[in-house]
Amino acid sequence: SAVISQKPSRDICQRGTSLTIQCQVDSQVTMMFWYRQQPGQSLTLIATANQGSEATYESGFVIDKFPISRPNLTFSTLTVSNMSPEDSSIYLCSVVGAEAFFGQGTRLTVV
Amino acid sequence: DAKTTQPNSMESNEEEPVHLPCNHSTISGTDYIHWYRQLPSQGPEYVIHGLTSNVNNRMASLAIAEDRKSSTLILHRATLRDAAVYYCILRDLTTSGTYKYIFGTGTRLKVLA
Repeated sequence: SAVISQKPSRDICQRGTSLTIQCQVDSQVTMMFWYRQQPGQSLTLIATANQGSEATYESGFVIDKFPISRPNLTFSTLTVSNMSPEDSSIYLCSVVGAEAFFGQGTRLTVV
Repeated sequence: DAKTTQPNSMESNEEEPVHLPCNHSTISGTDYIHWYRQLPSQGPEYVIHGLTSNVNNRMASLAIAEDRKSSTLILHRATLRDAAVYYCILRDLTTSGTYKYIFGTGTRLKVLA
């Protein structure tokens, strides 16, 4: 199993600013995944983060908007840049072993 | 894109069995069928998975059709704590060999007291 901690758990931000979300795992993992969950919707995969290389983004997501860092095998950050109200969502990180494990999410509100 | 289709919502009475269906007509021979659920204000959590045979664990049972194009998650006695969104998932293989999980719309289960 894996325990995932995300910080912050929630935040309210002004439009035009950026927020960096941290994800810490209690074990070393090769890949970490970042998801967005818009209000009332399912999870959408943003990108896959591999330690030591650039993240791989899914269609519709770009590095300039969602830069990701993966400095070691237990940690990753996702930045939501130049935020607008449409970025108000829950952002979750995940790791995969025999099954997928998810953090509790970061609830972001952009005003 | 998600490879599964599920009803948007279902209702069940407390203490009664619930059968949550999932269609995955494009499943390949090596795809496992995974079920996760998301309780309110939580991240998704693992429920069960299977390949061909029916599977049971402490949370649920998974019945897989003989042609594997559909499956059913069975909660034997629904409780109020089972109210959640249930996702049926076929994983995608990344270029680096790790599986990624692509979520469909899921089924929102409402349990009535």
